[in-house]
Amino acid sequence: AQRVTQPEKLLSVFKGAPVELKCNYSYSGSPELFWYVQYSRQRLQLLLRHISRESIKGFTADLNKGETSFHLKKPFAQEEDSAMYYCALFSPMNYGGSQGNLIFGKGTKLSVKP
Amino acid sequence: GAVVSQHPSRVICKSGTSVKIECRSLDFQATTMFWYRQFPKQSLMLMATSNEGSKATYEQGVEKDKFLINHASLTLSTLTVTSAHPEDSSFYICSARDTGQGNGQPQHFGDGTRLSIL
Repeated sequence: AQRVTQPEKLLSVFKGAPVELKCNYSYSGSPELFWYVQYSRQRLQLLLRHISRESIKGFTADLNKGETSFHLKKPFAQEEDSAMYYCALFSPMNYGGSQGNLIFGKGTKLSVKP
Repeated sequence: GAVVSQHPSRVICKSGTSVKIECRSLDFQATTMFWYRQFPKQSLMLMATSNEGSKATYEQGVEKDKFLINHASLTLSTLTVTSAHPEDSSFYICSARDTGQGNGQPQHFGDGTRLSIL
C-alpha cells in the first residue's frame, strides 16, 4: 500500500540548531516526493520536490530509496521556519501516468525557539 | 506563480443548509482538481478528485450524494455540501495541478474554507 509516515507530531529546536524532519514512504514504483509547508493562517505551499534537487529557504531533502526516506533538513533553524510541514507522495492513477493525487503524511509541527 | 483561489473563506450556517465552495485556478488550466478535508491538528484527507467534463472520483467512505462536485471548466470546480449537519463542520481545501506542465508537477492549494454548521 502507498503510505507516507511522519513519525514526529512535534519537533522543537532552538534557533541556530540543525533540524531534520523525518519522512518515510511506502511505494512499489519510482516515487515522486514533495515537502509542503503551512505557515500559521496561510495556505499550504510547496517547499521543495525531490526531482528538482533544489534548496529552498535553506532546506534540502534527499531521496534515499534504500531506506525509503525523504527527510527534510536544515543546518541552522530560524524562528520563521516555525510551521507545519507535510511530506507527500504522488500517486498516479495509472502506472507511469501523469494523472493522480498526493498522499500526505500526518505532518510535523516545527517550533523554533529564540 | 500558479495561484488557486478558493471562495468563500468562511461559512457559518444552520443545519440543513446546502453550501457551495468554489475553487478556481487563476493563471493555469487544470483538468483535475482535488478536494481535501482537514480536521483540527490532523493531516489533509483526500475526499475526491474532480475531473473536467466528467464525474468526480470519490475516495472510499465519502458520500457522493452528500458532497456534490462539479468541474464545469478547466479553471473552476465546485464542491456543494448538501443538507449540511454539524458533523460536516471542517476545513475544506481545494488543490489543482497545472496539467499542461506534464509529470511530477506540484499541486497548488487554495486558502481553504472553514465551514461551521450550527
